[in-house]
Amino acid sequence: SQTIHQWPATLVQPVGSPLSLECTVEGTSNPNLYWYRQAAGRGLQLLFYSVGIGQISSEVPQNLSASRPQDRQFILSSKKLLLSDSGFYLCALRVLGIPEGGYTFGSGTRLTVV
Amino acid sequence: GENVEQHPSTLSVQEGDSAVIKCTYSDSASNYFPWYKQELGKGPQLIIDIRSNVGEKKDQRIAVTLNKTAKHFSLHITETQPEDSAVYFCAASLGGSARQLTFGSGTQLTVLP
Repeated sequence: SQTIHQWPATLVQPVGSPLSLECTVEGTSNPNLYWYRQAAGRGLQLLFYSVGIGQISSEVPQNLSASRPQDRQFILSSKKLLLSDSGFYLCALRVLGIPEGGYTFGSGTRLTVV
Repeated sequence: GENVEQHPSTLSVQEGDSAVIKCTYSDSASNYFPWYKQELGKGPQLIIDIRSNVGEKKDQRIAVTLNKTAKHFSLHITETQPEDSAVYFCAASLGGSARQLTFGSGTQLTVLP
């Protein structure tokens, strides 16, 4: 079965500093990959998704970016963090097939921008 | 696009009672409806799902029902236990190349001992 690794688990960064969060996948090939954020409250906000290497779709314009340099690697980045970037960041994968399945989520990264 | 509404936002029940969380969706083309449980500080975990060709599915104390005509689906937890306390998310899937899930806003379930 597929597994998803996300690190670091917690991160405290100053405003204006860069960010790089990494997500790697095992046990599957060519999954769809997603970055979500949970800010205050419980809602899951979709930030980016990728259907393949180098293919990134952005759902919400902001100072974050994503890249997929390899099939099983998905990276969330920022050149300069804002206070509003604080939150719980989740990577997820979805294996398409018949029948369709749901997402598998990583364990998340708690980012605090100070 | 798809819109999923989830109610209630918070739910408290006594241990041993049942809990019901309801969701409605907007797009009749949606055909896959998973439920996730998120414990504090962790990523959501899939607990049960249902597809549009099925009206009900049960897994031990957890069951999900789907009413395609009314476009709503529900999660039922019987004989609740303190470890059931968590945030629960419903979701719906539309067709399309990205096959995205649209999530409800979540329900904080608290099971009181």
